[in-house]
Amino acid sequence: GAGVSQSPSNKVTEKGKDVELRCDPISGHTALYWYRQSLGQGLEFLIYFQGNSAPDKSGLPSDRFSAERTGGSVSTLTIQRTQQEDSAVYLCASTRDNEQFFGPGTRLTVL
Amino acid sequence: DQQVKQNSPSLSVQEGRISILNCDYTNSMFDYFLWYKKYPAEGPTFLISISSIKDKNEDGRFTVFLNKSAKHLSLHIVPSQPGDSAVYFCAASDGGTYKYIFGTGTRLKVLA
Repeated sequence: GAGVSQSPSNKVTEKGKDVELRCDPISGHTALYWYRQSLGQGLEFLIYFQGNSAPDKSGLPSDRFSAERTGGSVSTLTIQRTQQEDSAVYLCASTRDNEQFFGPGTRLTVL
Repeated sequence: DQQVKQNSPSLSVQEGRISILNCDYTNSMFDYFLWYKKYPAEGPTFLISISSIKDKNEDGRFTVFLNKSAKHLSLHIVPSQPGDSAVYFCAASDGGTYKYIFGTGTRLKVLA
């Protein structure tokens, strides 16, 4: 079935480089979330989209992080000038009613 | 400040026995609670939920109990099976908002 997909599944990058992570939500789900899970931590909320607009960006850790969503569907999370502390699994979820459907995540490693 | 806490990072249970996973929260505005299960290299999958108007919700082997006065919820799995071995996250939301706050997870290992 068509679940939430994310790409790439793994990304290794050098400190200082920019990375772009992609999320394809379930068709028809208007709400989309980005979370980050660092080692030994819970899921940390990053940003929420309703349609193409992001009413809450409060979870973005710094101005190096940005996200956009186009056509009410695909979303990209961009991290500029990556730092080692950005290493984590980045999870995307789309929502139907109160239930969140998660993608498999992108494991980002910053060397 | 961690609004949703899972104080046990890990739990081991014998197959066939009951697994009890606990979750505490601090925000009295939370009125909807969810449990997710996560296998390695996969995203979390929804397991069961409960709204604050209930104190119990049951789905097969899974039961969630909510104690609002203690700001505590628990997930019971009975009987536990080896395939239940995973990390379990509890999450809470304020129905007036869209934001879900997750705990740090409990790794359950069911021993055959």
